[in-house]
Amino acid sequence: DADVTQTPRNRITKTGKRIMLECSQTKGHDRMYWYRQDPGLGLRLIYYSFDVKDINKGEISDGYSVSRQAQAKFSLSLESAIPNQTALYFCATSDPVGQNTGELFFGEGSRLTVL
Amino acid sequence: GEDVEQSLFLSVREGDSSVINCTYTDSSSTYLYWYKQEPGAGLQLLTYIFSNMDMKQDQRLTVLLNKKDKHLSLRIADTQTGDSAIYFCAEEKTSYDKVIFGPGTSLSVIP
Repeated sequence: DADVTQTPRNRITKTGKRIMLECSQTKGHDRMYWYRQDPGLGLRLIYYSFDVKDINKGEISDGYSVSRQAQAKFSLSLESAIPNQTALYFCATSDPVGQNTGELFFGEGSRLTVL
Repeated sequence: GEDVEQSLFLSVREGDSSVINCTYTDSSSTYLYWYKQEPGAGLQLLTYIFSNMDMKQDQRLTVLLNKKDKHLSLRIADTQTGDSAIYFCAEEKTSYDKVIFGPGTSLSVIP
């Protein structure tokens, strides 16, 4: 089984719908992240969480919200999806840099299409 | 990632060396990374370099770090078709305690 699991892997939805992407991990890491990948733009950080009670905005948080339900679970919501949120979304986990190299462990991605 | 820059495409012939270049912005970064993304998959750490090093070699991979110019490069020797992927340069932003990625370089290996 994968260490970082994302569901759904693919989703097509319509403008205005609410969408939730879920992420669970078995790495035992406190730190979890949501990134968005767009061609030519690389990965941009949406939200990140350093522990269950900690939520931080990334560089492109507008239009998104997150919930850290447990150490192992971090979900990303689009309250009212719009077409320019069509992208590949990645969840990732890590140890703090001070404890390790800061390596990020990624899920396989959730491809979201908003029509 | 506007703070990290890299060219978007590179094409090489099988057996040649590939060199992917990157410029970053945070001179206080402790670690700099190269991640690889194969088609349809997530990113995986390929290699990293600690900021007090100039070079790191790992089998076919050589990472060079020029801190003065904030320049990082990844050389893949004897490039194989299985090396075709997107390679992301990333820097650890010490002041913000998170990792920022470049746009990725798509490497195509021609048989």
